[in-house]
Amino acid sequence: EAAVTQSPRNKVTVTGGNVTLSCRQTNSHNYMYWYRQDTGHGLRLIHYSYGAGNLQIGDVPDGYKATRTTQEDFFLLLELASPSQTSLYFCASSDAGTLYFGSGTRLTVL
Amino acid sequence: GEQVEQLPSSLIVQEGASVLINCSYTDSASVYFPWYKQEPGKRLQFIIDIRSNMERKQTQRLTLLFDKKTKHLSLHITATQPGDSAIYFCSATGTGGYKVVFGSGTRLLVSP
Repeated sequence: EAAVTQSPRNKVTVTGGNVTLSCRQTNSHNYMYWYRQDTGHGLRLIHYSYGAGNLQIGDVPDGYKATRTTQEDFFLLLELASPSQTSLYFCASSDAGTLYFGSGTRLTVL
Repeated sequence: GEQVEQLPSSLIVQEGASVLINCSYTDSASVYFPWYKQEPGKRLQFIIDIRSNMERKQTQRLTLLFDKKTKHLSLHITATQPGDSAIYFCSATGTGGYKVVFGSGTRLLVSP
């Protein structure tokens, strides 16, 4: 089974803080995704990538940057965190449509 | 872009009952529709899928129906068990770019 590992599991920062969420997948999937999960909104796509150096804009990209440094690693960056970005963040990878998810990072912005 | 609507937002049933979860999507170019289950505190896990050239797919207690004309899907879960308590998500994937859009989820609670 595909393995997707996210770190950290929990993160607390202050408004204006700088946060990096990490995701690594070990099955050489081409596609990787960042979603945020909020009650009433389900999963909303922030950014995705189909390979190292590639970045595609999702549906809720404002306030987020992402970088795919290798086939395995996909990072989500919040350079000026705001309370509205308090959420549960999931990374996922895919080979042909079915997504394999990480365990999530719970981010709190005070 | 693609939008996916999922209803109902929550369901409470007694063990043994059947439930129906509905999803509709907007982009006729979407071709692949996997569903996921998220148990409390856990990651989402794939449970069943269907492609746009199919009308029905069944696995164990899950039946997924697809109507391409109306852009509608429905997931039927029979003989529910407390272990089925989770949030269920439908999703839609287009032909290019592999952008995957999710519905807002259905929270199912099955009481013993």
